Amino acid sequence: QSALAQPASVSGSPGQSITISCAGTSSDVGGYTAVSWYQHQPGKAPILVIYGGTKRPSGISDRFSGSKSGNTASLTISGLQAEDEAEYYCCAYSGESMYVFGSGTLVTVL
Amino acid sequence: EVRLSESGGGLVRPGGSLRLSCVASGFTFDTYAMSWIRQAPGKGLEWVLFISSSGVTTSYIDSVKGRFTVSRDNSKNTLFLQMNNLRVEDTATYFCVRQGGGFFDYWGQGALLTVSS
Repeated sequence: QSALAQPASVSGSPGQSITISCAGTSSDVGGYTAVSWYQHQPGKAPILVIYGGTKRPSGISDRFSGSKSGNTASLTISGLQAEDEAEYYCCAYSGESMYVFGSGTLVTVL
Repeated sequence: EVRLSESGGGLVRPGGSLRLSCVASGFTFDTYAMSWIRQAPGKGLEWVLFISSSGVTTSYIDSVKGRFTVSRDNSKNTLFLQMNNLRVEDTATYFCVRQGGGFFDYWGQGALLTVSS
């Protein structure tokens, strides 16, 4: 299984919106609704920010939103804040109880 | 509060073995599937394996099939990862993770495995 394709880095100024793409295939991103996104800051455990493609867990800011079109999923962070600086990973179900992660995107707040 | 606490990491020679444990608390362990996810130094997250809530169903990525075995003791709220014939490329932080419906909702802090001669 190859990692889902994400841009290596995305940056934005405070208050701006950024979007991270996650490109897969019809066997993973395009084939199931189970796309999730994780925020990972150095030295901390990853945090789930989006599941089911578009749903936010309790306690996650509504500045985080997810979408999907065909074989590509996207995570949008609106009203960018300094605390949003982190590595972000998408993850998709690929059948038979197996999963594949994206390559990761470093978000920098300028 | 959901807590997942890994232990058992360390330094192992190539070809060696190690067992990781993960003690869960704050939720009904035997009703949740679990996974192990790893992150090699300077690399991204990689899903490694899955075990169903009962332990009957498991799945593994190809690179660890035949070498890694996942199991669980629901009476002790504990997840295990037995790793044999370890390779240098298995060096990583291993996270014990609770599964929701197709996503990973709680993560441990991770256990570091270093495979080196």
